[in-house]
Amino acid sequence: DAGVIQSPRHEVTEMGQEVTLRCKPISGHNSLFWYRQTMMRGLELLIYFNNNVPIDDSGMPEDRFSAKMPNASFSTLKIQPSEPRDSAVYFCASSFTFEGTNEKLFFGSGTQLSVL
Amino acid sequence: GENVEQHPSTLSVQEGDSAVIKCTYSDSASNYFPWYKQELGKRPQLIIDIRSNVGEKKDQRIAVTLNKTAKHFSLHITETQPEDSAVYFCAAIGGSNYKLTFGKGTLLTVNP
Repeated sequence: DAGVIQSPRHEVTEMGQEVTLRCKPISGHNSLFWYRQTMMRGLELLIYFNNNVPIDDSGMPEDRFSAKMPNASFSTLKIQPSEPRDSAVYFCASSFTFEGTNEKLFFGSGTQLSVL
Repeated sequence: GENVEQHPSTLSVQEGDSAVIKCTYSDSASNYFPWYKQELGKRPQLIIDIRSNVGEKKDQRIAVTLNKTAKHFSLHITETQPEDSAVYFCAAIGGSNYKLTFGKGTLLTVNP
């Protein structure tokens, strides 16, 4: 298994531009998470999907952020318009949920986003 | 919601010494406590985990202990090696049973 695959690895954009981050979870996993990592705030959960349905988006900073999971093998996180304070590493992670419990979480390589 | 506190934020040890990182959690319903290691520029990777029905778990040089009454758990690394240098994160799953809350991380440096 190739693990959780994210693209792009690095993204440099200018303030105001739209940014789309992509994720392919591990085959067979039914839960997908988007995390943001910064030095100041550590690892923050942005949104969680279970069986392609958004369960908790309370961590999404504001309306500029949106996420979709059209099928079990693909998810996107979009920022529109982007701002310099969005600069961070964005991780996608997946796991298998049974009986309502998520456990071993596997992370992708992350997308290093820089908004100038 | 769950709150996880992790200490220390930085830890420097000599090669061969032991390292201990401690975490506390707030939600008494939490039942799963993983530890992740993140090397510079890499993804967090699970190194060991423990469930609430177990007090201690060991895997070679790494061990984790859990005290449910005090709501704290610890990572112990023995015979440290330079390749153990990384940021270590503790985490807990709270009563919602899906939201993994992470501590702020500990930067461990093992000096040769």
